[in-house]
Amino acid sequence: ELKVEQNPLFLSMQEGKNYTIYCNYSTTSDRLYWYRQDPGKSLESLFVLLSNGAVKQEGRLMASLDTKARLSTLHITAAVHDLSATYFCAVAPYETSGSRLTFGEGTQLTVNP
Amino acid sequence: EAQVTQNPRYLITVTGKKLTVTCSQNMNHEYMSWYRQDPGLGLRQIYYSMNVEVTDKGDVPEGYKVSRKEKRNFPLILESPSPNQTSLYFCASSLGPPAEQYFGPGTRLTVT
Repeated sequence: ELKVEQNPLFLSMQEGKNYTIYCNYSTTSDRLYWYRQDPGKSLESLFVLLSNGAVKQEGRLMASLDTKARLSTLHITAAVHDLSATYFCAVAPYETSGSRLTFGEGTQLTVNP
Repeated sequence: EAQVTQNPRYLITVTGKKLTVTCSQNMNHEYMSWYRQDPGLGLRQIYYSMNVEVTDKGDVPEGYKVSRKEKRNFPLILESPSPNQTSLYFCASSLGPPAEQYFGPGTRLTVT
């Protein structure tokens, strides 16, 4: 059974600070996704990482994938209040060709002024 | 506007009363999927469809049915809902793996 673990699950940080969210998974995969969910809203795609060493950046967020370590990171640079949300990583096991997605529990991020 | 729509958005029902949650996308996506979201458990995949008439089970298919008769629609059917199916349900679509999935607004279901 594929396990996807995110940590921390809750993160409270000050504006302007940097931090990293970690996503570990237990099976072979080269397809990892990051999503954002605002309270009471749906999920919004942030990044699609499709190979070992992939790095994607959008604004203050940067995601990377290390398939050998089975680890993805979501790095937040100089956080602002608008980044407050829950962030999910999701992994597609290699043998499913991406059709099956297993999500982590989510990291609830609160950015304080 | 490209979107995934779900109906109803909110539903309160009683145990055993059959219900259908509709999902429709206007992006000509081949892949569609249903998830449920529960506190502390993240999202779990219920069923997915790679194309018309092609569906397969996700991680938690028990108590649910789906059909894919048209490319744009992927309804979720609960033949005999039970309280443990109280949850927030999301439909999603994509061009096909490994493309990102686009999520609908969600359907909050309460079964009493």
